[in-house]
Amino acid sequence: DAGVIQSPRHEVTEMGQEVTLRCKPISGHDYLFWYRQTMMRGLELLIYFNNNVPIDDSGMPEDRFSAKMPNASFSTLKIQPSEPRDSAVYFCASSSVMGRNTEAFFGQGTRLTVV
Amino acid sequence: GDSVTQMEGPVTLSEEAFLTINCTYTATGYPSLFWYVQYPGEGLQLLLKATKADDKGSNKGFEATYRKETTSFHLEKGSVQVSDSAVYFCALRDGGATNKLIFGTGTLLAVQP
Repeated sequence: DAGVIQSPRHEVTEMGQEVTLRCKPISGHDYLFWYRQTMMRGLELLIYFNNNVPIDDSGMPEDRFSAKMPNASFSTLKIQPSEPRDSAVYFCASSSVMGRNTEAFFGQGTRLTVV
Repeated sequence: GDSVTQMEGPVTLSEEAFLTINCTYTATGYPSLFWYVQYPGEGLQLLLKATKADDKGSNKGFEATYRKETTSFHLEKGSVQVSDSAVYFCALRDGGATNKLIFGTGTLLAVQP
């Protein structure tokens, strides 16, 4: 398996523009997580899905952020409109349904810069 | 709610020194515990894990023991190398209704030759 695949690896956009980050989880994994990493706040859980259904979005910072998982092999995280403070590395991770003993596998991240 | 607390970095060591990175957790249930490592420019990779009290996870010379009585999962390595320079994250997964994977803030380790 190719692992968790994120695109793009780097994104530079202007303030006010819409940004869409993409993730393909490992085949057969039922959980998908979106994290944001910054120097100030470390690694924050934004939202996670189980069987394509959002379970907890309490980490989404504000209404400008939205996430979808239309099928088991694809998820998007959208920011509209983007702001400079959204600049961060965004990670997607997936894990199987086996529960507490199961680790999550991470993609290589998308480095977002909003200017 | 559940949380993980790690020692703040950076931790700077000379090659072949002994490493300890402290991690404590708070959980209402009975979580599994993990250490992840992030090398520069890369995503997080699982380093080791432990799923029950007194379990010891180990990998690449790193070890950590699940201590329920002290709610700790400290990472140790007897002799670090320059190639171990990275950010290390302690994490827990509660396996309960939410099944969240919760991370600490990460500890930067810099090993000097």
